[in-house]
Amino acid sequence: AQTVTQSQPEMSVQEAETVTLSCTYDTSESDYYLFWYKQPPSRQMILVIRQEAYKQQNATENRFSVNFQKAAKSFSLKISDSQLGDAAMYFCVTWGTGNQFYFGTGTSLTVIP
Amino acid sequence: DTGVSQNPRHKITKRGQNVTFRCDPISEHNRLYWYRQTLGQGPEFLTYFQNEAQLEKSRLLSDRFSAERPKGSFSTLEIQRTEQGDSAMYLCASSRKGRDQPQHFGDGTRLSIL
Repeated sequence: AQTVTQSQPEMSVQEAETVTLSCTYDTSESDYYLFWYKQPPSRQMILVIRQEAYKQQNATENRFSVNFQKAAKSFSLKISDSQLGDAAMYFCVTWGTGNQFYFGTGTSLTVIP
Repeated sequence: DTGVSQNPRHKITKRGQNVTFRCDPISEHNRLYWYRQTLGQGPEFLTYFQNEAQLEKSRLLSDRFSAERPKGSFSTLEIQRTEQGDSAMYLCASSRKGRDQPQHFGDGTRLSIL
């Protein structure tokens, strides 16, 4: 079975600082996609950023960027200039075997004013 | 784009009862997914539809669970003879076809079994 590991259950960051959330995954697929989703407290889950595995260039969306290391099967999320609204549970997600999406257990991010 | 809508938001029922949840996806999305999320965990895939066809089912989906998407629009998830372990948040998501397509999630239905 495909697995996604987020080894940091909780993280905190000072407002305006930078934080990196880690994710490793296991897949037998050669072509796949990776995503980070954000789930604010009691709110809908929304897409933060996505990465195509065959692209070497790391994806960037405004203050969010990824460090994708395909050989190491690592997909970390960097949040720059952290804002209070970034506080949420962050899930690393892969699409793979069986046409399914696989979610990690999540990292709860606290932003300290 | 009115978003993915799920009803009800909360459902409290006694063990052994049947429950049914509804999901209305974004209209132009032909894929629809059901997930179960328990406290402190990430969503677990249950099943997905492409149009009206149910293409994948997780081994988590016991025979007490059934999902339909009769006309390729809204979907229902029914749980028969509910058990304590069924208590969870049930999330629905929809997307366009394609592995790179992001999923749009609903607010979920929280099921509590007494």
